[in-house]
Amino acid sequence: DIQMTQSPSTLSASVGDRVTITCRASQTINSWLAWYQQKPGKAPKLLIQKASSLESGVPSRFSGSGSGTEFTVTISSLQPDDFVTYYCQQYKSYPYTFGQGTKLEI
Amino acid sequence: QVQLQESGPGLVKPSQTLSLTCTVSGGSISSGGYYWSWIRQHPGKGLEWIGYIYYRGNTYYNPSLESRVTISLDTSKNQFSLKLSSVTAADTAVFYCARRTVSAGLFDYWGQGTLVTVSS
Repeated sequence: DIQMTQSPSTLSASVGDRVTITCRASQTINSWLAWYQQKPGKAPKLLIQKASSLESGVPSRFSGSGSGTEFTVTISSLQPDDFVTYYCQQYKSYPYTFGQGTKLEI
Repeated sequence: QVQLQESGPGLVKPSQTLSLTCTVSGGSISSGGYYWSWIRQHPGKGLEWIGYIYYRGNTYYNPSLESRVTISLDTSKNQFSLKLSSVTAADTAVFYCARRTVSAGLFDYWGQGTLVTVSS
């Protein structure tokens, strides 16, 4: 299985800050990476696919980059609604696997 | 707008079989183009993909659960189902059904999730 490792596990920041979350794959996954946002008690929401393509309706303050084994998602100016948990997911090969999550805290 | 909704018992006894159903509205599971999936999340933990079914009945399961998992579909009711046998407390989790596009392995629509607790 491809292991996905996110860092940090928890990130403390303030409204307006620029933050970056990293996701590393245990082997190359090209650009077959998605990012999800999960609010407490809710299902994950797809934010970014193919490492850098924003889903329709996702604010432009979110951006993704990377290829191979190292990926990032950046939020350029944190809004109050952004202080939730983020997951990466590889879809290069089965079984699809997720990172352990990064929780953004105020 | 596609919507998915999980249903099933919230409490299952150890060694029994967990059974959940996902009802899809706003689109037909028989239309092709999508894999209908189950994903679980242990309390306070990350996400684990369980498996999927295609409208033709093709299935693929996570090898870590393959011996205990069955996913089936009922096109007449626009539903697909999950059965997980021989459950233990370690199977306590929120179970999500989700839609995965055939062209890409990402999950674009999710149900709200249902907590299943394994306890006697």
